Amino acid sequence: KQEVTQIPAALSVPEGENLVLNCSFTDSAIYNLQWFRQDPGKGLTSLLLIQSSQREQTSGRLNASLDKSSGRSTLYIAASQPGDSATYLCAVTDSWGKLQFGAGTQVVVTP
Amino acid sequence: DADVTQTPRNRITKTGKRIMLECSQTKGHDRMYWYRQDPGLGLRLIYYSFDVKDINKGEISDGYSVSRQAQAKFSLSLESAIPNQTALYFCATSDPGLAGVETQYFGPGTRLLVL
Repeated sequence: KQEVTQIPAALSVPEGENLVLNCSFTDSAIYNLQWFRQDPGKGLTSLLLIQSSQREQTSGRLNASLDKSSGRSTLYIAASQPGDSATYLCAVTDSWGKLQFGAGTQVVVTP
Repeated sequence: DADVTQTPRNRITKTGKRIMLECSQTKGHDRMYWYRQDPGLGLRLIYYSFDVKDINKGEISDGYSVSRQAQAKFSLSLESAIPNQTALYFCATSDPGLAGVETQYFGPGTRLLVL
């Protein structure tokens, strides 16, 4: 059974610092891996999707890497801003299109 | 208007009551999902439907049932609510599209409290 783990569970950084969020998974037979952002009172928003054949994806200040063989993904957020405060979830997709989520990392960026 | 809507947004009910959570989408997607989220845990899949005639159990379906009334509507029912069903419930939709690039679109969530 696939298990997805995110470390740390919570993170607080001053504005301007780079954020590094980690995700690990136990079964490397995934179709893709996604990073989501969750804001209170709102649903999840997809940030980046990395296909199983890719090593990384970038969008603006966000960069996500994927190492299938070691079962790891890292989300980097450069030059953090208070608006980056949210919970970040990673999820792996199986061959049926179903997602398995990690518990998330709660991020606070202080001005 | 939001692509995926959920009603109600908040609900308080008592143990033993039957309740229904509703989800509607305007994205034209065939696939729809119901998840629950508990503090400190990730989202867990309750039920999913790949089209109107296809309903499948997810990881934690016990105590829940679903109805896919139309392509755009997917309802989740708690036949006899119990306190450990207190959670945040999310509906989501997806379009298979190109293999490996499917993403899911989430509603804003329904916060349910069972007393």
